[in-house]
Amino acid sequence: DADVTQTPRNRITKTGKRIMLECSQTKGHDRMYWYRQDPGLGLRLIYYSFDVKDINKGEISDGYSVSRQAQAKFSLSLESAIPNQTALYFCATSDLPRRGIGELFFGEGSRLTVL
Amino acid sequence: GDSVTQMEGPVTLSEEAFLTINCTYTATGYPSLFWYVQYPGEGLQLLLKATKADDKGSNKGFEATYRKETTSFHLEKGSVQVSDSAVYFCALRGNTGNQFYFGTGTSLTVIP
Repeated sequence: DADVTQTPRNRITKTGKRIMLECSQTKGHDRMYWYRQDPGLGLRLIYYSFDVKDINKGEISDGYSVSRQAQAKFSLSLESAIPNQTALYFCATSDLPRRGIGELFFGEGSRLTVL
Repeated sequence: GDSVTQMEGPVTLSEEAFLTINCTYTATGYPSLFWYVQYPGEGLQLLLKATKADDKGSNKGFEATYRKETTSFHLEKGSVQVSDSAVYFCALRGNTGNQFYFGTGTSLTVIP
């Protein structure tokens, strides 16, 4: 089983619909992230959380919200989806840098298409 | 602010050719540097890393050296294989340890 699991893996929806992407991890990491990948733009940070009570906006948080339900769960919501939110979304986790190298571990991605 | 600039692709090479993908960074202090690889249909996975100047990260025949004097972390492989076809991302973790910054990715296709 994957250490970082995202659901759904693929989703097609219509403009204006509410969408939730879920992420769960078994790595025991405190830090969790949501990234968006678009061709030619690389990965852009949407939100990140360093523990259950800590939520921070990334560079492109407008139109998105998140919830950290537990150390292992971090969900991303699009309250009213629009076509330019069509993208590949990645959840990632990391440990504290002082405990090691602190690199990111990624899920397999959730491909969202908004019609 | 911190940032990463990565060679644009796509790159197409014949099998056994030499690969270089350039990566330079802007950061204060001493960031940690990473190369991630994304195979088709998969998430990103760590390829190699370096945490201080002159460190050389290596894995699966790929190498990159942390050059503080040129603020670079170029990825190299002496002889690529078809199975190396993927998108490669250079990344840094800032000095505070709180955020990661990614390059735009370089798509590599290796043809037999």
